[in-house]
Amino acid sequence: EADIYQTPRYLVIGTGKKITLECSQTMGHDKMYWYQQDPGMELHLIHYSYGVNSTEKGDLSSESTVSRIRTEHFPLTLESARPSHTSQYLCASSEGTSGEEKLFFGSGTQLSVL
Amino acid sequence: GQNIDQPTEMTATEGAIVQINCTYQTSGFNGLFWYQQHAGEAPTFLSYNVLDGLEEKGRFSSFLSRSKGYSYLLLKELQMKDSASYLCAVRDQDYGQNFVFGPGTRLSVLP
Repeated sequence: EADIYQTPRYLVIGTGKKITLECSQTMGHDKMYWYQQDPGMELHLIHYSYGVNSTEKGDLSSESTVSRIRTEHFPLTLESARPSHTSQYLCASSEGTSGEEKLFFGSGTQLSVL
Repeated sequence: GQNIDQPTEMTATEGAIVQINCTYQTSGFNGLFWYQQHAGEAPTFLSYNVLDGLEEKGRFSSFLSRSKGYSYLLLKELQMKDSASYLCAVRDQDYGQNFVFGPGTRLSVLP
């Protein structure tokens, strides 16, 4: 049902590296999101977008950036990775923001910063 | 502010019924969602409530009381594959129509 893809699935990198997590969806959804989730903890909103050329900050946005040049693509960039960035990153999309407009999630990127 | 509470862990027996509770405090309630998340996988949608009452969908039902800020997810005829985390999430119109997630309840179904 859900066609939303994240790459890489796993990533291990050193401190200070710049990384980009990729997310693409083929459902034509306008709204897209990035969440961070630590084991056993709630999802925290990092960034979201209402559509092309729209990007908004969530609760944990200060150390990352996003872009939305095409409807289907919503990459997340960490300019300088730190061990505190070690976490699971989940990309999601939704058709809208009303009614039963549920989130569709990608499989996630598990990031480890050494 | 926003706050969602759920029990951290629950255990139940195969074939039984289990109820997972969720209480929430948000300023701009605009729908409550339940998601299922198996270990190492992405969350998947289970149910949606925006009006008070019970919504039934096969073995799963979800209840909402907006005046009490309370919801529950009811799972009947438990199966081993129901072992997962269950996430309660509220869409908040005062939060850009975004979702606030609870910490999740990890359910273990025992034979």
